[in-house]
Amino acid sequence: AQKVTQAQTEISVVEKEDVTLDCVYETRDTTYYLFWYKQPPSGELVFLIRRNSFDEQNEISGRYSWNFQKSTSSFNFTITASQVVDSAVYFCAHGSSNTGKLIFGQGTTLQVKP
Amino acid sequence: GAGVSQSPSNKVTEKGKDVELRCDPISGHTALYWYRQSLGQGLEFLIYFQGNSAPDKSGLPSDRFSAERTGGSVSTLTIQRTQQEDSAVYLCASSLAHKRGTPLHFGNGTRLTVT
Repeated sequence: AQKVTQAQTEISVVEKEDVTLDCVYETRDTTYYLFWYKQPPSGELVFLIRRNSFDEQNEISGRYSWNFQKSTSSFNFTITASQVVDSAVYFCAHGSSNTGKLIFGQGTTLQVKP
Repeated sequence: GAGVSQSPSNKVTEKGKDVELRCDPISGHTALYWYRQSLGQGLEFLIYFQGNSAPDKSGLPSDRFSAERTGGSVSTLTIQRTQQEDSAVYLCASSLAHKRGTPLHFGNGTRLTVT
């Protein structure tokens, strides 16, 4: 069965610091998908990124970057120069190749202080 | 509407009562999912629909929980004889198709409190 582990329950940083959110997954699928979602205090989950298991190219989008390493089953998320608006709960999720169902990690609460 | 709509946004009920939670997915989205988020916990999968059928109900916690979808659109999650441990935020999501890698679009959820 698939499993997603986000070992960091809470992280607190000061604005402008860089922060990395860890995500480790377990899967028996040969093809799968990994996701990151953001849940701000308003509660709605916002899709951030999707990666395919066959594409290990890292991705950068503005202050956000993602490091996918199949060898260590990790899909880590880095926020550069964090801002107060980045404060939220961040979820990592695994999607199988034969189902659209996502299995989520427990989430990491990020607090960015001014 | 533009996004996934859930109603009510908040529901307080007494233990033992039945509740119905509604989800209106994004127009044209054929796949619909229900998740539960307990306080401080991650998202727990409950059930998903492809059209009106539910191929995967594996996450429903007990036979007190049921869901249906009609017309390939609106879905209702029903909890019978509610218990305090049912208190949680119930999230609905939809996607264009039950296809691999398709991102889910979530609603704001229904916060259920069982007293």
